[in-house]
Amino acid sequence: DVKVTQSSRYLVKRTGEKVFLECVQDMDHENMFWYRQDPGLGLRLIYFSYDVKMKEKGDIPEGYSVSREKKERFSLILESASTNQTSMYLCASAQGGYTFGSGTRLTVV
Amino acid sequence: DQQVKQNSPSLSVQEGRISILNCDYTNSMFDYFLWYKKYPAEGPTFLISISSIKDKNEDGRFTVFLNKSAKHLSLHIVPSQPGDSAVYFCAASVGGSNYKLTFGKGTLLTVNP
Repeated sequence: DVKVTQSSRYLVKRTGEKVFLECVQDMDHENMFWYRQDPGLGLRLIYFSYDVKMKEKGDIPEGYSVSREKKERFSLILESASTNQTSMYLCASAQGGYTFGSGTRLTVV
Repeated sequence: DQQVKQNSPSLSVQEGRISILNCDYTNSMFDYFLWYKKYPAEGPTFLISISSIKDKNEDGRFTVFLNKSAKHLSLHIVPSQPGDSAVYFCAASVGGSNYKLTFGKGTLLTVNP
Protein backbone atom coordinates (compact mmCIF):
# COMPACT_ATOMS: atom_id res chain seq x y z
CA ASP A 1 0.00 0.00 0.00
CA VAL A 2 1.06 3.55 -0.71
CA LYS A 3 2.04 5.41 2.36
CA VAL A 4 1.94 9.18 2.73
CA THR A 5 3.61 10.31 5.91
CA GLN A 6 3.20 13.73 7.44
CA SER A 7 5.94 14.45 9.93
CA SER A 8 3.78 15.80 12.74
CA ARG A 9 0.22 15.03 13.87
CA TYR A 10 -0.01 18.11 16.08
CA LEU A 11 1.96 21.36 16.06
CA VAL A 12 1.69 24.55 18.07
CA LYS A 13 3.55 27.58 16.72
CA ARG A 14 3.74 31.25 17.58
CA THR A 15 2.58 34.07 15.34
CA GLY A 16 5.38 35.18 13.03
CA GLU A 17 7.29 31.92 13.14
CA LYS A 18 8.38 30.19 9.94
CA VAL A 19 6.76 26.76 9.89
CA PHE A 20 7.70 23.73 7.84
CA LEU A 21 5.23 20.89 7.24
CA GLU A 22 6.83 17.83 5.71
CA CYS A 23 5.22 15.17 3.58
CA VAL A 24 6.87 12.03 2.24
CA GLN A 25 5.42 9.37 -0.03
CA ASP A 26 6.97 5.99 -0.69
CA MET A 27 5.58 4.98 -4.09
CA ASP A 28 7.37 7.18 -6.61
CA HIS A 29 4.26 9.22 -7.42
CA GLU A 30 4.65 12.19 -9.72
CA ASN A 31 1.79 14.26 -8.34
CA MET A 32 1.59 15.71 -4.84
CA PHE A 33 -0.80 18.15 -3.20
CA TRP A 34 -1.32 20.22 -0.09
CA TYR A 35 -4.84 20.99 1.16
CA ARG A 36 -6.19 22.56 4.29
CA GLN A 37 -9.42 21.52 5.91
CA ASP A 38 -11.51 23.93 7.95
CA PRO A 39 -14.96 23.34 9.47
CA GLY A 40 -17.68 24.40 7.07
CA LEU A 41 -15.20 25.06 4.27
CA GLY A 42 -14.21 21.57 3.16
CA LEU A 43 -10.77 20.91 1.67
CA ARG A 44 -9.09 23.75 -0.16
CA LEU A 45 -6.06 23.36 -2.39
CA ILE A 46 -2.99 25.37 -1.37
CA TYR A 47 -0.28 24.17 -3.77
CA PHE A 48 0.41 21.19 -5.96
CA SER A 49 3.28 19.69 -7.90
CA TYR A 50 3.27 17.40 -10.93
CA ASP A 51 7.03 16.85 -10.99
CA VAL A 52 10.23 17.44 -9.07
CA LYS A 53 11.05 21.15 -8.79
CA MET A 54 7.68 21.99 -10.30
CA LYS A 55 5.01 23.78 -8.26
CA GLU A 56 1.68 25.38 -9.04
CA LYS A 57 -0.53 27.61 -6.94
CA GLY A 58 -3.85 26.22 -5.87
CA ASP A 59 -6.88 28.18 -4.76
CA ILE A 60 -5.46 29.69 -1.55
CA PRO A 61 -1.66 30.05 -1.86
CA GLU A 62 -1.31 33.37 -0.02
CA GLY A 63 1.00 33.11 2.96
CA TYR A 64 2.38 29.74 1.86
CA SER A 65 5.18 28.40 -0.28
CA VAL A 66 6.32 24.89 -1.16
CA SER A 67 9.46 22.98 -1.98
CA ARG A 68 9.88 19.80 -4.02
CA GLU A 69 13.57 19.03 -4.32
CA LYS A 70 13.04 15.26 -4.40
CA LYS A 71 10.22 13.27 -5.90
CA GLU A 72 9.14 11.70 -2.64
CA ARG A 73 9.09 14.86 -0.51
CA PHE A 74 6.77 17.85 -0.75
CA SER A 75 7.15 20.50 1.92
CA LEU A 76 4.69 23.24 2.81
CA ILE A 77 6.16 26.41 4.29
CA LEU A 78 4.30 29.07 6.22
CA GLU A 79 6.57 32.07 5.77
CA SER A 80 5.25 33.96 8.80
CA ALA A 81 2.57 32.03 10.64
CA SER A 82 -0.65 33.83 11.47
CA THR A 83 -3.63 32.79 13.58
CA ASN A 84 -5.82 32.41 10.49
CA GLN A 85 -3.51 29.61 9.37
CA THR A 86 -4.65 27.47 12.28
CA SER A 87 -6.07 24.47 10.47
CA MET A 88 -5.79 20.79 9.58
CA TYR A 89 -3.24 20.38 6.78
CA LEU A 90 -3.52 17.37 4.51
CA CYS A 91 -0.91 16.15 2.06
CA ALA A 92 -1.72 13.73 -0.75
CA SER A 93 0.09 11.96 -3.54
CA ALA A 94 -1.63 10.59 -6.61
CA GLN A 95 -1.22 7.84 -9.13
CA GLY A 96 -4.36 5.90 -9.89
CA GLY A 97 -6.08 8.13 -7.37
CA TYR A 98 -5.20 10.09 -4.28
CA THR A 99 -3.67 8.76 -1.09
CA PHE A 100 -3.87 11.21 1.78
CA GLY A 101 -1.66 11.44 4.82
CA SER A 102 -3.17 11.48 8.29
CA GLY A 103 -2.97 15.25 8.52
CA THR A 104 -1.20 17.81 10.69
CA ARG A 105 -3.31 19.80 13.10
CA LEU A 106 -1.52 23.18 13.29
CA THR A 107 -2.41 25.74 15.92
CA VAL A 108 -0.89 29.22 15.65
CA VAL A 109 -1.04 31.20 18.89
CA ASP B 1 -16.95 31.03 -6.28
CA GLN B 2 -17.90 27.57 -5.03
CA GLN B 3 -17.65 25.16 -7.92
CA VAL B 4 -18.67 22.05 -5.96
CA LYS B 5 -21.54 22.38 -3.55
CA GLN B 6 -22.84 20.06 -0.86
CA ASN B 7 -25.85 21.88 0.46
CA SER B 8 -26.63 19.57 3.35
CA PRO B 9 -24.13 19.98 6.20
CA SER B 10 -25.54 16.93 7.96
CA LEU B 11 -27.76 13.90 7.45
CA SER B 12 -29.08 11.41 9.96
CA VAL B 13 -30.47 7.98 9.00
CA GLN B 14 -31.43 4.75 10.71
CA GLU B 15 -29.29 1.67 10.39
CA GLY B 16 -30.41 -0.49 7.48
CA ARG B 17 -32.02 2.39 5.59
CA ILE B 18 -30.72 4.18 2.53
CA SER B 19 -28.44 7.23 2.86
CA ILE B 20 -28.48 9.68 -0.04
CA LEU B 21 -25.84 12.38 -0.18
CA ASN B 22 -26.09 15.06 -2.83
CA CYS B 23 -23.59 17.23 -4.66
CA ASP B 24 -23.94 19.93 -7.33
CA TYR B 25 -21.25 21.45 -9.50
CA THR B 26 -21.03 24.50 -11.71
CA ASN B 27 -17.90 23.98 -13.79
CA SER B 28 -18.78 22.26 -17.09
CA MET B 29 -15.13 21.29 -17.58
CA PHE B 30 -15.26 18.77 -14.74
CA ASP B 31 -15.18 15.27 -16.19
CA TYR B 32 -14.38 13.09 -13.19
CA PHE B 33 -16.14 12.94 -9.86
CA LEU B 34 -15.23 11.26 -6.61
CA TRP B 35 -16.55 10.67 -3.13
CA TYR B 36 -14.29 10.56 -0.09
CA LYS B 37 -15.06 9.55 3.46
CA LYS B 38 -13.31 11.15 6.40
CA TYR B 39 -13.16 10.22 10.06
CA PRO B 40 -11.93 12.76 12.62
CA ALA B 41 -8.13 13.01 12.93
CA GLU B 42 -7.59 10.92 9.78
CA GLY B 43 -7.00 11.73 6.15
CA PRO B 44 -9.86 11.26 3.68
CA THR B 45 -10.16 7.82 2.09
CA PHE B 46 -11.42 7.20 -1.41
CA LEU B 47 -14.87 5.67 -1.67
CA ILE B 48 -16.10 5.63 -5.26
CA SER B 49 -15.75 7.61 -8.47
CA ILE B 50 -17.47 8.16 -11.79
CA SER B 51 -16.37 9.44 -15.15
CA SER B 52 -18.55 11.89 -17.05
CA ILE B 53 -19.10 9.29 -19.78
CA LYS B 54 -21.13 7.20 -17.32
CA ASP B 55 -24.26 7.91 -15.36
CA LYS B 56 -23.92 5.24 -12.68
CA ASN B 57 -21.19 3.34 -10.89
CA GLU B 58 -21.65 0.71 -8.20
CA ASP B 59 -19.31 -0.78 -5.65
CA GLY B 60 -20.94 -3.01 -3.08
CA ARG B 61 -23.23 -0.93 -0.88
CA PHE B 62 -22.18 2.30 -2.59
CA THR B 63 -23.62 3.67 -5.81
CA VAL B 64 -22.88 7.02 -7.40
CA PHE B 65 -25.28 8.58 -9.91
CA LEU B 66 -24.32 11.39 -12.26
CA ASN B 67 -26.79 13.68 -14.03
CA LYS B 68 -24.68 15.83 -16.33
CA SER B 69 -27.52 17.95 -17.63
CA ALA B 70 -28.40 18.95 -14.08
CA LYS B 71 -24.74 19.06 -12.98
CA HIS B 72 -25.71 16.87 -10.05
CA LEU B 73 -24.36 13.72 -8.50
CA SER B 74 -25.49 11.65 -5.59
CA LEU B 75 -24.06 8.89 -3.43
CA HIS B 76 -26.40 6.14 -2.26
CA ILE B 77 -25.43 3.87 0.61
CA VAL B 78 -27.62 0.80 1.02
CA PRO B 79 -27.98 -0.50 3.66
CA SER B 80 -26.48 2.11 5.93
CA GLN B 81 -24.38 0.91 8.86
CA PRO B 82 -23.22 2.71 12.01
CA GLY B 83 -19.61 2.43 10.76
CA ASP B 84 -20.60 4.62 7.82
CA SER B 85 -20.92 7.59 10.18
CA ALA B 86 -18.33 10.08 8.91
CA VAL B 87 -17.97 13.24 6.86
CA TYR B 88 -18.43 12.63 3.14
CA PHE B 89 -16.79 14.91 0.61
CA CYS B 90 -17.74 15.20 -3.02
CA ALA B 91 -14.85 16.16 -5.33
CA ALA B 92 -14.43 16.93 -9.01
CA SER B 93 -11.54 17.23 -11.42
CA VAL B 94 -10.62 17.86 -15.02
CA GLY B 95 -8.72 14.95 -16.50
CA GLY B 96 -9.08 12.26 -13.87
CA SER B 97 -8.24 11.25 -10.33
CA ASN B 98 -4.54 12.12 -10.40
CA TYR B 99 -5.02 15.85 -10.87
CA LYS B 100 -6.09 18.68 -8.65
CA LEU B 101 -9.45 18.11 -7.03
CA THR B 102 -12.08 20.66 -6.10
CA PHE B 103 -13.93 19.57 -2.99
CA GLY B 104 -17.33 20.39 -1.58
CA LYS B 105 -17.74 21.44 2.04
CA GLY B 106 -18.75 17.98 3.18
CA THR B 107 -21.80 16.31 4.69
CA LEU B 108 -21.70 14.73 8.13
CA LEU B 109 -23.57 11.43 7.98
CA THR B 110 -24.78 9.89 11.21
CA VAL B 111 -26.18 6.36 11.08
CA ASN B 112 -28.15 5.55 14.20
CA PRO B 113 -28.33 1.96 15.46
